[in-house]
This record gives sequence, C-alpha cells and structure tokens, in this order.
Amino acid sequence: EPEVTQTPSHQVTQMGQEVILRCVPISNHLYFYWYRQILGQKVEFLVSFYNNEISEKSEIFDDQFSVERPDGSNFTLKIRSTKLEDSAMYFCASTYDQETQYFGPGTRLLVL
Amino acid sequence: GNSVTQMEGPVTLSEEAFLTINCTYTATGYPSLFWYVQYPGEGLQLLLKATKADDKGSNKGFEATYRKETTSFHLEKGSVQVSDSAVYFCALSDKRQGAQKLVFGQGTRLTINP
Repeated sequence: EPEVTQTPSHQVTQMGQEVILRCVPISNHLYFYWYRQILGQKVEFLVSFYNNEISEKSEIFDDQFSVERPDGSNFTLKIRSTKLEDSAMYFCASTYDQETQYFGPGTRLLVL
Repeated sequence: GNSVTQMEGPVTLSEEAFLTINCTYTATGYPSLFWYVQYPGEGLQLLLKATKADDKGSNKGFEATYRKETTSFHLEKGSVQVSDSAVYFCALSDKRQGAQKLVFGQGTRLTINP
C-alpha cells in the first residue's frame, strides 16, 4: 500500500541553523501539508500546498519557514534559522481528493 | 474559529472493556470528521471518518457517529485489546479554497491492560 515517507526520522540542530525536512508524498496525490506537534500539545496546521504554490498558511508559518516541491516527488519544509521553540514533531501529509489526508511517520526536530 | 475538544486523558482500561472517547466540535458549515490513531513511535493513521450528519464511520471494531445536533463524534469500541493502546485524535476538516486543513483535538492517550 502506498505511504507517505519522511526523512530524517530525527534531527538535532543548533539554534540559528537551517534545517530541511523532507517528505515523499503518495505519488498521485495533489495536495500537500505540513503539521507540527510540540511535545504534549495538539497537532497544529502549518501550511498547505497545491499546484506548486502555498494555498494556506497558519500564523505559525512565518518568514523563517518555506516549502518547496523541487521535483515530481519530494516536498520539503525549510526552517531558515531555527529557534528553541521550533523543537517538535513535524508531520507531512498528502491527499488526492481533499477529503482524507495520509500522514507520514514524522520527523522529530530538536533545537539546542 | 473551528475547534475540537476531546475528553481528558489518559484513559486506562482492562482488556475487553467498553471504550468511549468523547469528542465535540465547533465549526461553521458542515465539516467532515475524523479519528486518527498514533501508535507508539509511529505517525498518524486514519482510523475512521464521517462526511455528513448521521454518517457512521467504522474500522477495526471502532465506530463513531456524526451527530450534528450535539456537535459530537464520540469514538466507541465494544471490547478493547492491548493492541489498541495508542493516542487517539479527533479532527475536523476545514474546507478552504483549493485545499483543506485538519483541526485536531488535543489527543487522548489510551492504555489497555491485560
């Protein structure tokens, strides 16, 4: 069964460094998302992406964040200058029909 | 804005007990409703969904009915197993132009003891 994959599974970085989180959505899906879950808190929407552009973003998704679909398979989330409060689990999701989103296993980011 | 509220956890039950995890929502319009499950060390998996009022979603013995009159989508299972131990998230879809986002509840950690 097709699934969403994410790399790396864990990433440790120093405050102020740039990180890129990678996702490979399910191949025929058209809509892509990033969510995050700070430890012990709700899963929060960050951004949605369709037709090679951002369709919606939350107030969390400030100028330090960017997304890209550099080729036909990858979908990346870049954090330009990480802060301590960016430490969280980041989930990628994709959907074909805008109805059911399929999630990847997540990348646990720790900013020191 | 749209929101989802789940019952406080953690919930601990014995094997074969009846499970209810309450979920209520606030939304404009007619959202779709979902239950996702997160097993230890894994990502979010769709458990079941309902797209309109009075629909019942079901999977793996779990059920939830979309109740518009009470704005609820409670998750139930008649006889839980140790393997059901996980965190359960209630969510609604928030349809916007061109895409939709999910709004999640805070999650309920369920532990089933043998």
